[in-house]
Amino acid sequence: KNQVEQSPQSLIILEGKNCTLQCNYTVSPFSNLRWYKQDTGRGPVSLTIMTFSENTKSNGRYTATLDADTKQSSLHITASQLSDSASYICVVSGGNNRLAFGKGNQVVVIP
Amino acid sequence: DVKVTQSSRYLVKRTGEKVFLECVQDMDHENMFWYRQDPGLGLRLIYFSYDVKMKEKGDIPEGYSVSREKKERFSLILESASTNQTSMYLCASRRQGARQPQHFGDGTRLSIL
Repeated sequence: KNQVEQSPQSLIILEGKNCTLQCNYTVSPFSNLRWYKQDTGRGPVSLTIMTFSENTKSNGRYTATLDADTKQSSLHITASQLSDSASYICVVSGGNNRLAFGKGNQVVVIP
Repeated sequence: DVKVTQSSRYLVKRTGEKVFLECVQDMDHENMFWYRQDPGLGLRLIYFSYDVKMKEKGDIPEGYSVSREKKERFSLILESASTNQTSMYLCASRRQGARQPQHFGDGTRLSIL
């Protein structure tokens, strides 16, 4: 069973609109959660990291939240741009330093 | 900026061949990783290395081996390539520490015919 579940699997949004991506995890113990952005044909790039004590962190138009009690994280994209079209991958680090990867949220922004 | 360079973007090989995928990083990172990425399955860890000459099996090591003779270079070896090893292969490096981000190369798309 995958320890990191992301939803929706894919979505299409209009340029300028907002969207929210979800990540639920069962990894325990928990060390940190990181969101990566992967453009087509490129490797993933880190957007933000969340630790147990942090519940919100922003990186430009990207805002990540973490609820460690319910083991849920979200990534909110504000005022989407065409360049936001990508796969967004949630990665959770457990106490043994192993990483658990979600399968990604595929976002397509259309003009 | 950290740069992780994979030797080939595209590679086509035949079944039974021995295949070498090379990865070089320029930031003196201790940790290096090899993943494969398949549609619907996401990223899966094949092997990783905490330091020179050290290696650990990941989640799907069968059919693969690795070599890390120098700190900057991590090689993935397909001993006898099979068609089910057709995939996108991603290399990553990271400074030691659980909070450090992984820096990925742009991948090698490997096709085994």
